[in-house]
Amino acid sequence: AQSVTQPDIHITVSEGASLELRCNYSYGATPYLFWYVQSPGQGLQLLLKYFSGDTLVQGIKGFEAEFKRSQSSFNLRKPSVHWSDAAEYFCAVGALVYSGGGADGLTFGKGTHLIIQP
Amino acid sequence: NAGVTQTPKFRILKIGQSMTLQCAQDMNHNYMYWYRQDPGMGLKLIYYSVGAGITDKGEVPNGYNVSRSTTEDFPLRLELAAPSQTSVYFCASSYPSGTSYYEQYFGPGTRLTVT
Repeated sequence: AQSVTQPDIHITVSEGASLELRCNYSYGATPYLFWYVQSPGQGLQLLLKYFSGDTLVQGIKGFEAEFKRSQSSFNLRKPSVHWSDAAEYFCAVGALVYSGGGADGLTFGKGTHLIIQP
Repeated sequence: NAGVTQTPKFRILKIGQSMTLQCAQDMNHNYMYWYRQDPGMGLKLIYYSVGAGITDKGEVPNGYNVSRSTTEDFPLRLELAAPSQTSVYFCASSYPSGTSYYEQYFGPGTRLTVT
């Protein structure tokens, strides 16, 4: 079965500093990987996704992530954080659960809570 | 488009009561999903549906039931509420995008407390 590990429960970063959130996955085949952001009291918003091709993917709000197959990692980065980036960040892997076609059912990590210091 | 909508936003249930969490999408998505989110635990898949009349269990289906009579609606039923079902519930939907994975769109969630 697939799994996702986000090693950092909390991360504190100063506003304007760079950010890297770690994500490691376990999956038997080529993974479909995602980063979602959840602001307090809100639903999940997709930041970026990796299906295939270029291993460096760009997302919304200035985020990017790099897929490294050899390390089973999909770390999220941002060169300069803003106070509005404070939120919960979830890494997820997509898994095929329906034999009729199409992958469905995301397996999520436990999340990393990002705190921005002024 | 309203996207994925969920009602109610909040609900408090007593142990043993029943309720239905509503989910609707107006994007004509075939696939719909229910997840629960517990503090510090990420989201776990409860049930999913690949079309009207077709549903299947996810990772944590016990204590829940679903039905899918239309493309738009995917209600989640709790028959005998238990404290372990206190959680935030998210509905999601997805569509064929030309790749083999279907990107999911999430609703705003329903916060349920069982006491």
